[in-house]
Amino acid sequence: SQKIEQNSEALNIQEGKTATLTCNYTNYSPAYLQWYRQDPGRGPVFLLLIRENEKEKRKERLKVTFDTTLKQSLFHITASQPADSATYLCARLGSNDYKLSFGAGTTVTVRA
Amino acid sequence: DTGVSQDPRHKITKRGQNVTFRCDPISEHNRLYWYRQTLGQGPEFLTYFQNEAQLEKSRLLSDRFSAERPKGSFSTLEIQRTEQGDSAMYLCASSAAGSGANVLTFGAGSRLTVL
Repeated sequence: SQKIEQNSEALNIQEGKTATLTCNYTNYSPAYLQWYRQDPGRGPVFLLLIRENEKEKRKERLKVTFDTTLKQSLFHITASQPADSATYLCARLGSNDYKLSFGAGTTVTVRA
Repeated sequence: DTGVSQDPRHKITKRGQNVTFRCDPISEHNRLYWYRQTLGQGPEFLTYFQNEAQLEKSRLLSDRFSAERPKGSFSTLEIQRTEQGDSAMYLCASSAAGSGANVLTFGAGSRLTVL
């Protein structure tokens, strides 16, 4: 079976620092990896996606990398702010698939 | 269009009762998904519709669960004879077919508590 794993420990960082989250997958390389943000009591909100033939994508203070050799994606929040505090979910989509499989998420807390 | 709407947002019920959740997707989206999420876990896939056709059901979806999407618009998820283990957040999401990346737009969820 295909699995997707995120570093399960909560991440506590100081405002202004960079948060780095890890997403690892097993078996075949997904066609896409997507990252979502989820606030307590709310549904996930899409942030970024990266295709299997892309190394890096950026959006404002967010950066995602994709390493098919390591079977890993890294998600970076630069110049972090307290408003970035949330749970971040990684999700994979296979090339012939139509459903996303999610990791358990990593909770980030940014201290002022 | 204001996104994906789910109703009710919260439901508290006694064990053995039936509950029904409703989802109104983004109108242009023909794909509709139901996921379940428990505390500390990511969303788990339950079922998927393309238009009115239910194309896949997870093994997580026991016989007590049924989902419909009449006319390919809104969807309902019914749980019969609820059990305490059914307590979770039930998330609905929609997406547009033909979009290779299949980015999902989620609703705010319906939180079920079974006493």
